Amino acid sequence: GAGVSQSPSNKVTEKGKDVELRCDPISGHTALYWYRQSLGQGLEFLIYFQGNSAPDKSGLPSDRFSAERTGGSVSTLTIQRTQQEDSAVYLCASSSPGLAGWETQYFGPGTRLLVL
Amino acid sequence: DQQVKQNSPSLSVQEGRISILNCDYTNSMFDYFLWYKKYPAEGPTFLISISSIKDKNEDGRFTVFLNKSAKHLSLHIVPSQPGDSAVYFCAASGGMDSSYKLIFGSGTRLLVRP
Repeated sequence: GAGVSQSPSNKVTEKGKDVELRCDPISGHTALYWYRQSLGQGLEFLIYFQGNSAPDKSGLPSDRFSAERTGGSVSTLTIQRTQQEDSAVYLCASSSPGLAGWETQYFGPGTRLLVL
Repeated sequence: DQQVKQNSPSLSVQEGRISILNCDYTNSMFDYFLWYKKYPAEGPTFLISISSIKDKNEDGRFTVFLNKSAKHLSLHIVPSQPGDSAVYFCAASGGMDSSYKLIFGSGTRLLVRP
């Protein structure tokens, strides 16, 4: 299919270890987003990439979180020195600018992260 | 401070009847609203959206209504089918500095009984 893909689908790690989560957006989509969904909660915005513009990192919860988007396509979300409260589903979405700037975001299946 | 609220954590309806899911928002700068459906272990799937210049948008069995004065939107599903059983999230975006940032509600779990 041509949807957003994410890897790994599940990740179990030990507290203090670093993890990398990958997102492949829909081909041709210029915007890419990372969200996090903790248990029983709605989705929480983390970071936004649009073309070559500086990313909006305003949603990153701490400086242990960082993200890159190489070549305007694939993105990697890195969490350093993981903590148990980082356990969540990390969702990636992509979009293409629409009418009047309204953009519909299409989500990948997510990466379920469990920090022990 | 929850800018988007879904006050009903769950809803149960009989197959064939109407499902009405509600969503309230507080930020008057929001100008685009979306509904997503989420099955367990999957990412949210886009269902339907509405911009603030409209008060209704219909797509098959799904209709979204927007009441700007009340800062309220609702999703109607008719007739409801067992396959509609999922968690439904309302989301909103808008404002000059964050037109792209979706703010999500906490979701409503819909169960459609056969």
